[in-house]
Amino acid sequence: EAGVAQSPRYKIIEKRQSVAFWCNPISGHATLYWYQQILGQGPKLLIQFQNNGVVDDSQLPKDRFSAERLKGVDSTLKIQPAKLEDSAVYLCASSRLRGGITDTQYFGPGTRLTVL
Amino acid sequence: QQQVKQSPQSLIVQKGGIPIINCAYENTAFDYFPWYQQFPGKGPALLIAIRPDVSEKKEGRFTISFNKSAKQFSLHIMDSQPGDSATYFCAASMYAGGTSYGKLTFGQGTILTVHP
Repeated sequence: EAGVAQSPRYKIIEKRQSVAFWCNPISGHATLYWYQQILGQGPKLLIQFQNNGVVDDSQLPKDRFSAERLKGVDSTLKIQPAKLEDSAVYLCASSRLRGGITDTQYFGPGTRLTVL
Repeated sequence: QQQVKQSPQSLIVQKGGIPIINCAYENTAFDYFPWYQQFPGKGPALLIAIRPDVSEKKEGRFTISFNKSAKQFSLHIMDSQPGDSATYFCAASMYAGGTSYGKLTFGQGTILTVHP
């Protein structure tokens, strides 16, 4: 079974520029998550999708961050415009079922974003 | 109240030692406590998890001890090996119905180094 795929793996941009990240979850996984992991901290959930609907985006900075999951499969996360404090690793994860508490989340390798 | 506090920040042991990583939480609604292992350049991977209806769970060399009254849980790694060198995150989740199920709240992480 192929794992969660993410691209690009690394991105360096200037502040105020825009950037997009792509995630392809494990085949058949209904739930998809985007996390932000700042250096030295644990991942923080940004948004959770159930198929192509948003379940939780309470911690997504909606003035600059947006995400979509078309057709309930791939997802993109966009930042526009980027700020210095957005420098982090952006992790995508997926789980098989409805995101129940014992539903294992499988993480991709992440995209490391550096904002200069 | 949603925080999970993890300690120590870093830990160095000799091969064969038993590193212990501790986590504490405030929200009594949390009812699922996984531990994740993360190697450099990789996403976190589920290591072991526990529900609060048991005080201990063992899988191979990894053991979770859970103290519900103290709202604390810990990870013990028996006979640690250099290959166990990684960052370990505790996390907590709850079934809150509606839009909140499956959301993981992570601790800050512990960098473990096992010397040969």
